[in-house]
Amino acid sequence: DAGVIQSPRHEVTEMGQEVTLRCKPISGHDYLFWYRQTMMRGLELLIYFNNNVPIDDSGMPEDRFSAKMPNASFSTLKIQPSEPRDSAVYFCASKLGLAPDNEQFFGPGTRLTVL
Amino acid sequence: QKEVEQDPGPLSVPEGAIVSLNCTYSNSAFQYFMWYRQYSRKGPELLMYTYSSGNKEDGRFTAQVDKSSKYISLFIRDSQPSDSATYLCAMSALDNNNDMRFGAGTRLTVKP
Repeated sequence: DAGVIQSPRHEVTEMGQEVTLRCKPISGHDYLFWYRQTMMRGLELLIYFNNNVPIDDSGMPEDRFSAKMPNASFSTLKIQPSEPRDSAVYFCASKLGLAPDNEQFFGPGTRLTVL
Repeated sequence: QKEVEQDPGPLSVPEGAIVSLNCTYSNSAFQYFMWYRQYSRKGPELLMYTYSSGNKEDGRFTAQVDKSSKYISLFIRDSQPSDSATYLCAMSALDNNNDMRFGAGTRLTVKP
């Protein structure tokens, strides 16, 4: 398996623009997670899905952020409008099953820079 | 006070040294404790998983959890240059094990 796939790997945009980050989880995994990593705040959970349904979005910073999972093999994280403080590395991860010792597999991340 | 505290380092050691990495936490509900390794410009990968208190050993790596002190540790024996990475502790509670809380990460360099 190719692992979790994220695109784009790098994104540079201007303040106010819409940004869409994409994720393809590992085939067969029923949990999908979106994280944000910054120097100041570390790695933070934004939202996670189970069987394409959002379960916990309490980590989404504000209404400018939205996430969807239209099917088992694709998810998007959208920021509209983007702001410089959204600059971070965004990771997608997927997992098989609820058991806590089942590993979350992380993608390579999307490095977002908002000018 | 952050829920999970981890010294960001950086930590530099010679090859072959024993490395000790630590985290403290404040939420007594945490039952699951993980250590992730993150190479530069890569996603984190799970290194060790421990449930509740005790020790777990896997090759050169040993994870320890002391719930009474709310303190967890990762020891690396015979450290290698390939161990150079950022190590993140993570933990979650029994009722929502998918909501992992991460430490800031400790950046480790092992010099040949």
